[in-house]
Amino acid sequence: AQKVTQAQTEISVVEKEDVTLDCVYETRDTTYYLFWYKQPPSGELVFLIRRNSFDEQNEISGRYSWNFQKSTSSFNFTITASQVVDSAVYFCALSVNYGQNFVFGPGTRLSVLP
Amino acid sequence: KAGVTQTPRYLIKTRGQQVTLSCSPISGHRSVSWYQQTPGQGLQFLFEYFSETQRNKGNFPGRFSGRQFSNSRSEMNVSTLELGDSALYLCASSTGGLTTPSYNEQFFGPGTRLTVL
Repeated sequence: AQKVTQAQTEISVVEKEDVTLDCVYETRDTTYYLFWYKQPPSGELVFLIRRNSFDEQNEISGRYSWNFQKSTSSFNFTITASQVVDSAVYFCALSVNYGQNFVFGPGTRLSVLP
Repeated sequence: KAGVTQTPRYLIKTRGQQVTLSCSPISGHRSVSWYQQTPGQGLQFLFEYFSETQRNKGNFPGRFSGRQFSNSRSEMNVSTLELGDSALYLCASSTGGLTTPSYNEQFFGPGTRLTVL
């Protein structure tokens, strides 16, 4: 069975601090996809990134970066120089079999204080 | 380019009734996925449609069904509503492809909030 764990339920940081959101996944499949989504207070989910299991390259997009480590089954998300607009619930998700067994983590609520 | 639209935005039903929710994907997107979000169970994947065919399905009872039309618009139906079906139902569209996996960049709608009394 597939499982995604986001151990941090809530995180509060002060603006301009860096923050890392942890994601640990479990699967026996060798082909899988990992995702991060953002859900701001408005409620609409925003897709941030998709990474497949064969691509362990870290990715950077502006202030966002992702660290994928198969050895520890982790796909962590770092926001550099956080801003108030980053306040949201962030979900990590795992998909195997090209879309079947799509599993979300419980989410991490990030509050960035001015 | 218009985003993903979902109708209605809010819905109140009573137990035992059935409900149909609608999702219009971004023009040109052929994949539509549905998700349920509740405080207790979190975000859960319902199903995904591509070119009018259900391609993937989450772990939900048969009361939850869906379909996709030739214009890629999708509907999901919940029959014999239960209190636990109260949730935010999110729809997402993406390009996808016949031989490539879905869940390329997904675009989400604002959701339909269903309340079952």
